[in-house]
Amino acid sequence: AQSVTQLDSHVSVSEGTPVLLRCNYSSSYSPSLFWYVQHPNKGLQLLLKYTSAATLVKGINGFEAEFKKSETSFHLTKPSAHMSDAAEYFCVPYNQGGKLIFGQGTELSVKP
Amino acid sequence: DGGITQSPKYLFRKEGQNVTLSCEQNLNHDAMYWYRQDPGQGLRLIYYSQIVNDFQKGDIAEGYSVSREKKESFPLTVTSAQKNPTAFYLCASSIDGMGSYNEQFFGPGTRLTVL
Repeated sequence: AQSVTQLDSHVSVSEGTPVLLRCNYSSSYSPSLFWYVQHPNKGLQLLLKYTSAATLVKGINGFEAEFKKSETSFHLTKPSAHMSDAAEYFCVPYNQGGKLIFGQGTELSVKP
Repeated sequence: DGGITQSPKYLFRKEGQNVTLSCEQNLNHDAMYWYRQDPGQGLRLIYYSQIVNDFQKGDIAEGYSVSREKKESFPLTVTSAQKNPTAFYLCASSIDGMGSYNEQFFGPGTRLTVL
């Protein structure tokens, strides 16, 4: 099965500074990958997805991610953090049969 | 508005009681899923259904049961056999269960607490 590693369990940034949430995948072929965000006590919302059509994927709320096959990475970035970005972020690979395999995620804190 | 609704938002249950969590979608999606989330952890798949009248066990199906009699509905029953049912439960749906680029859409969740 496809799997990912989110390299940081917690990231803290100041408002207005860049955000980098790291995700590495394990696969010998190009996977399908999603980034989801979860605010406290809420459901998950799709930020963006990699579909192999383009390596740089733009999502909602100013987030984007670049698929780098040479580094097996799909890191999530945003140029300028906003207080409302504070949440849990999940990098999720698609697996056979429509299954998504969730890891523990990365908690993003944004300081004023 | 199209979307997924889960009810209730908060649910309290006494030990030994079965309880059913509701999940309804009006997105005309074929596939539906149930996940469990424990504090500080990711989601774990309980059951999923790719089509009406069919469903499969996920990774942690023991102590749970589901039905899929209608396309728009996928209720989850937490039985008394589930040893540690206190958790946040999330329902999701996708256009179908086979397309690799088909994202899942999530409901707002139900927080179940066993007293």
